[in-house]
Amino acid sequence: EPEVTQTPSHQVTQMGQEVILRCVPISNHLYFYWYRQILGQKVEFLVSFYNNEISEKSEIFDDQFSVERPDGSNFTLKIRSTKLEDSAMYFCASMRGGIYGYTFGSGTRLTVV
Amino acid sequence: GIQVEQSPPDLILQEGANSTLRCNFSDSVNNLQWFHQNPWGQLINLFYIPSGTKQNGRLSATTVATERYSLLYISSSQTTDSGVYFCAVERPGGGADGLTFGKGTHLIIQP
Repeated sequence: EPEVTQTPSHQVTQMGQEVILRCVPISNHLYFYWYRQILGQKVEFLVSFYNNEISEKSEIFDDQFSVERPDGSNFTLKIRSTKLEDSAMYFCASMRGGIYGYTFGSGTRLTVV
Repeated sequence: GIQVEQSPPDLILQEGANSTLRCNFSDSVNNLQWFHQNPWGQLINLFYIPSGTKQNGRLSATTVATERYSLLYISSSQTTDSGVYFCAVERPGGGADGLTFGKGTHLIIQP
C-alpha cells in the first residue's frame, strides 16, 4: 500500500534555529497537508497545499512557517526561528481528492531546546 | 468551524472485553476517518467511513450521517489495542480545510 514518507523521524534543535521537515506524499495525490500535535493534545491543522500553492492555513501557521513543493515529489515545512512551544509531532498527509480518505505519514517529533 | 466531540475521554478495560467509542460532529461531513495513535505516535488509519458500516477483523465502525455521529467498536480487546483513538471529519467542499480532529479516546487494555 502506498505510504506518505516523512524525514527525519526525530529532530532536536536549538531555540531560534531554522528547521525543515520533509515529506514525500503519495504520487497520484493532489492535496497535501501539514498537521501538528503538541504532546497529549489533539491533532491540529496547519496548512493545505493544492496546485502548487497554499489553499488554506490556520491561525497557527504564522509568518515563521512556510511550505514548499520544490520538485515533483517532496513537500517541506520550514520553521524559520523555532520557539520552545514549537515542540510537537508534525504530520504530513496527502489526499487524492473526491471520495478518498487522507493518508498520514509517521510524523516528525520536533524538540526545541 | 465544525466541532468534533469524542467520548469517553478515557477507557480502561480488561483484555477480552468489548468497547464502543463515540464521535459526535456538529455539521454535515464529506469524510469521516477513525485513526489509532500507537505508542510511537504514528496515526494508523482504521476506517474511512462517511456513512454506513464497515468491518475489519475485530474492529467495526458505523456512521449515521443524518444524526451526526459515528461509533467505533472493538471486540475481544487485546493489549495491543491500547492507545488513543481519534475521529476526524472533513466538511463538504472542505478539501482545503483538511480534517478536523476530536480530542480522542485514550484506551488502556490491561492484561
